[in-house]
Amino acid sequence: LAKTTQPISMDSYEGQEVNITCSHNNIATNDYITWYQQFPSQGPRFIIQGYKTKVTNEVASLFIPADRKSSTLSLPRVSLSDTAVYYCLVGARMNAPSNTGKLIFGQGTTLQVKP
Amino acid sequence: NAGVTQTPKFRVLKTGQSMTLLCAQDMNHEYMYWYRQDPGMGLRLIHYSVGEGTTAKGEVPDGYNVSRLKKQNFLLGLESAAPSQTSVYFCASSDGTGQGTDTQYFGPGTRLTVL
Repeated sequence: LAKTTQPISMDSYEGQEVNITCSHNNIATNDYITWYQQFPSQGPRFIIQGYKTKVTNEVASLFIPADRKSSTLSLPRVSLSDTAVYYCLVGARMNAPSNTGKLIFGQGTTLQVKP
Repeated sequence: NAGVTQTPKFRVLKTGQSMTLLCAQDMNHEYMYWYRQDPGMGLRLIHYSVGEGTTAKGEVPDGYNVSRLKKQNFLLGLESAAPSQTSVYFCASSDGTGQGTDTQYFGPGTRLTVL
């Protein structure tokens, strides 16, 4: 069973690049890595997903090394509005024969962006 | 589109009471999920459904039951509430077409307190 580990908290300043790493040593072959963002009193919101190497979209980049035992979410030039909790999720298609119904979220990293 | 809605937003129960949480989505999604979120624990999957009339256990199913009689609705039931079930409950839905885990769309959450 893949377990994920993230730093509990991080601080940054506006305009800086922030990298948040998630460790998932027992990731399975069919598992993908997904990152979500959560603001207080709201449900999580999808940021980015990847399987291996690098994925980039309009808000973030996701770096996954060849062994896939960790992943790094990169947020370029953060602003105050990026202050939130960031969750790493490891899991496979829910209807895959090998899936045992496990979607493992990390404990979350609280990012505080300062002016 | 309202997206994913949850009813009620807040509820206080006494130990032993029962209740049902309702989740509704208007995106015609195949998959629906129920999570609980506790401080320091991240999100943990309770039950999920990959289609109308089907349900399956997640990571922490004990003490909960679910039903998916209509595609747009996913109900979470607590038959005999316990203080350990005090938590914030999130419902999510996804279209079921992703190669990995689908992009999940979350509701605003239900804050449940069991005294």
